[in-house]
Amino acid sequence: GAVVSQHPSWVICKSGTSVKIECRSLDFQATTMFWYRQFPKQSLMLMATSNEGSKATYEQGVEKDKFLINHASLTLSTLTVTSAHPEDSSFYICSAVGPLAGEYNEQFFGPGTRLTVL
Amino acid sequence: AQKITQTQPGMFVQEKEAVTLDCTYDTSDPSYGLFWYKQPSSGEMIFLIYQGSYDQQNATEGRYSLNFQKARKSANLVISASQLGDSAMYFCAMREGTKAAGNKLTFGGGTRVLVKP
Repeated sequence: GAVVSQHPSWVICKSGTSVKIECRSLDFQATTMFWYRQFPKQSLMLMATSNEGSKATYEQGVEKDKFLINHASLTLSTLTVTSAHPEDSSFYICSAVGPLAGEYNEQFFGPGTRLTVL
Repeated sequence: AQKITQTQPGMFVQEKEAVTLDCTYDTSDPSYGLFWYKQPSSGEMIFLIYQGSYDQQNATEGRYSLNFQKARKSANLVISASQLGDSAMYFCAMREGTKAAGNKLTFGGGTRVLVKP
């Protein structure tokens, strides 16, 4: 299947700092990328949907000023957690879909980024 | 109301036996797709199998098969001949609308499977 990478795989930061997470589709052009958050032993919660070259669409309850999403190219989307606090500690996963990736237009997921805010 | 319900939080299965993971869904859209993903302890989501709402036959993919009962709105995953590597979290997800890029997935709560040797 198509490959999606995420960087970094884990990050520890101090409260109040900003953290940027990158999501890349390595072998296909991703017209849409999704960002999820997953708490321990829970399901994935969609945070936002981003389309290349346009503003992200955030889910209800997700602060757009806190979680900045940029989808600058067809292979790269970034999530910046601004002024991170301990409650932002979580597992963040991105996924991507593209017209030539996947028989069922399925989402291909990155390996995730574990964020710990001290 | 929950759109995707997985009623089994955890299951044990003996190696080489089959296991069925339940998934029920709720939608009024006539066009939808149902996905199953596997999430091992490493965290990556691995796509397993897909069933479209208009598909006449149940989907199969290797040791994975989907028992799709449209009238009952259920899409249970069957894993045959379980292997130790099948130990993971399994998520059922639904995409409402046509197979167009950009449609969101709604995930169920997941079922943790532990395969015993």
